[in-house]
Amino acid sequence: QSVLTQPPSASATPGQRVSISCSGSSSNIGSNYVHWYQQFSGTAPKLLIYNTDQRPSGVPDRFSASKSATSASLAISGLRSEDEADYYCAAWDDSVSGPLFGGGTKLTVL
Amino acid sequence: EVHLLESGGGLIQPGGSLRLSCAASGFTFSTFAMSWVRQAPGKGLEWLSATTGSGGSTYYADAVKGRFTISRDNSKNTLYLQMNNLRVDDTAVYYCGKDHWPVDYWGQGTLVTVSS
Repeated sequence: QSVLTQPPSASATPGQRVSISCSGSSSNIGSNYVHWYQQFSGTAPKLLIYNTDQRPSGVPDRFSASKSATSASLAISGLRSEDEADYYCAAWDDSVSGPLFGGGTKLTVL
Repeated sequence: EVHLLESGGGLIQPGGSLRLSCAASGFTFSTFAMSWVRQAPGKGLEWLSATTGSGGSTYYADAVKGRFTISRDNSKNTLYLQMNNLRVDDTAVYYCGKDHWPVDYWGQGTLVTVSS
């Protein structure tokens, strides 16, 4: 069981806005940056958001993220069919002195 | 363009050993920390290990400490993961990644299956 808790699934229709939550604790999200990864079926993960709310070059501004206290969230607006993927939150954890990943959320575009 | 290519995976019996390699290109390898992350079938991501650019410092998750060893050869732009005393629950796709945290680029992964 992951220390960072994500809902196992989320769904929305094209054009809608969807939000994926990530709940942690004071030793990880509460005191460190949160990062988000996107993983399409059968492929390697891709860094989607780094340092809580920063987008790497090439990531559309439809993707945004934020955090508050010990929780974080990823939002995707103007949802497209090609956004269907698994999304993982991640953060450094001071208790284990290492990175932790959430369990992942499978996003389905209906 | 950053490119990471893992190799060395395969079928191994419990208790056996395997060495994974990750060939890197597209960046100055020796100046970046590198990591290994795995993903069990149908499961989430698990960070395993990292090493600094020089290889002088290494870091491990508790799950693999004492069994796995990370190393690198900067003259060959290659990262390694020596895995000993493998267990069935080590079965996973193993990814190498550029940088310690966050991992910003990932290889395509190599599958390690531990089974008798």
